[in-house]
Amino acid sequence: QQQVKQSPQSLIVQKGGISIINCAYENTAFDYFPWYQQFPGKGPALLIAIRPDVSEKKEGRFTISFNKSAKQFSLHIMDSQPGDSATYFCAASTDYKLSFGAGTTVTVRA
Amino acid sequence: ETGVTQTPRHLVMGMTNKKSLKCEQHLGHNAMYWYKQSAKKPLELMFVYNFKEQTENNSVPSRFSPECPNSSHLFLHLHTLQPEDSALYLCASSQNTGLDEKLFFGSGTQLSVL
Repeated sequence: QQQVKQSPQSLIVQKGGISIINCAYENTAFDYFPWYQQFPGKGPALLIAIRPDVSEKKEGRFTISFNKSAKQFSLHIMDSQPGDSATYFCAASTDYKLSFGAGTTVTVRA
Repeated sequence: ETGVTQTPRHLVMGMTNKKSLKCEQHLGHNAMYWYKQSAKKPLELMFVYNFKEQTENNSVPSRFSPECPNSSHLFLHLHTLQPEDSALYLCASSQNTGLDEKLFFGSGTQLSVL
């Protein structure tokens, strides 16, 4: 069974807009929530990560919001740029074994 | 260039063939992983090696056989595969196998089983 559910499957945003990707989980033992970014023909690369003792983490234009009570977390991409066009995966883990979401393909139109 | 190199980039094989995927990491990491990536599906963890010892086999069919001769090299030996095994196979490494270890992925081998 899928331990992390990710939505939407794809989204299109205009340059300068905000992209929002949502993830939900059931396992309350999850203790680490990273986001990975994957460009075509490349492997995923760590973008940003959060621990559940923090409700928000920001790195540049990328922000993770975390809602422990709702068991949900989301990625916000502010001022989206064409170079942000990629597939984004959320993940969660209790140890080194990550459970990934199915991915969201983001297309930023110039 | 990435610190994790995978070869070949593309592989087409018949169901009766035997082939091997190779992964090499130049990062001095102690842990290496094989993941399977199918379209529109979550990445699936297949195997984990830590200091050359296998620490995880995620119920992977025996037609996939991993080998880790040292901390820098990881192989995935393939034999009598099925068409549903067609996918992108990703190798990754991390410094250790802790909770918040950063995974470094290679670019993958795109496998097609005919």
